[in-house]
Amino acid sequence: DAGVTQSPTHLIKTRGQQVTLRCSPISGHKSVSWYQQVLGQGPQFIFQYYEKEERGRGNFPDRFSARQFPNYSSELNVNALLLGDSALYLCASSFSPNYGYTFGSGTRLTVV
Amino acid sequence: KNEVEQSPQNLTAQEGEFITINCSYSVGISALHWLQQHPGGGIVSLFMLSSGKKKHGRLIATINIQEKHSSLHITASHPRDSAVYICAVSAPGSARQLTFGSGTQLTVLP
Repeated sequence: DAGVTQSPTHLIKTRGQQVTLRCSPISGHKSVSWYQQVLGQGPQFIFQYYEKEERGRGNFPDRFSARQFPNYSSELNVNALLLGDSALYLCASSFSPNYGYTFGSGTRLTVV
Repeated sequence: KNEVEQSPQNLTAQEGEFITINCSYSVGISALHWLQQHPGGGIVSLFMLSSGKKKHGRLIATINIQEKHSSLHITASHPRDSAVYICAVSAPGSARQLTFGSGTQLTVLP
């Protein structure tokens, strides 16, 4: 059974551009969470979706948005990219928020 | 003060040694997670616990809810255990989002 799949694995964007990151959860998992990990720090919570509804949002600006599709996959969008958005973006899926998480390998975003 | 504190930040051990990593938290939680992160970023969930003790192979995790403290032990450490070990807590409520500690970089020398 496939694990949590994130795409792309790496990308480079220019300041001011927009980016879309994708996450496919484990089959049967209905909850998807997004985290940002800046180099040398622990991950920071961005969003959680469960059953296609936003269940939680971290302390991130409105430039960050996300959605969950009927097949439970998810997209994270970041507009007007800043150099400080350079980070590893991690997706984690779970059967529900009460269960343990399985993490994807992440998307490494570099903003130049 | 961070909501989740880990110690030590860095740990170097000789192969075979018994290793302990500590985690303290200051908020109410629904569960505590121990995670392993290898170079390149992939995170593996090791344990999720809300009370007592869990064991998986050479790894043991304990939690004391009253003292808001958890420990991760590795017995008979091996160089392949070298990684960053991260403690994270799940918030109460519907989202149960994770709040992470800053991690412990473990290096096991042969």
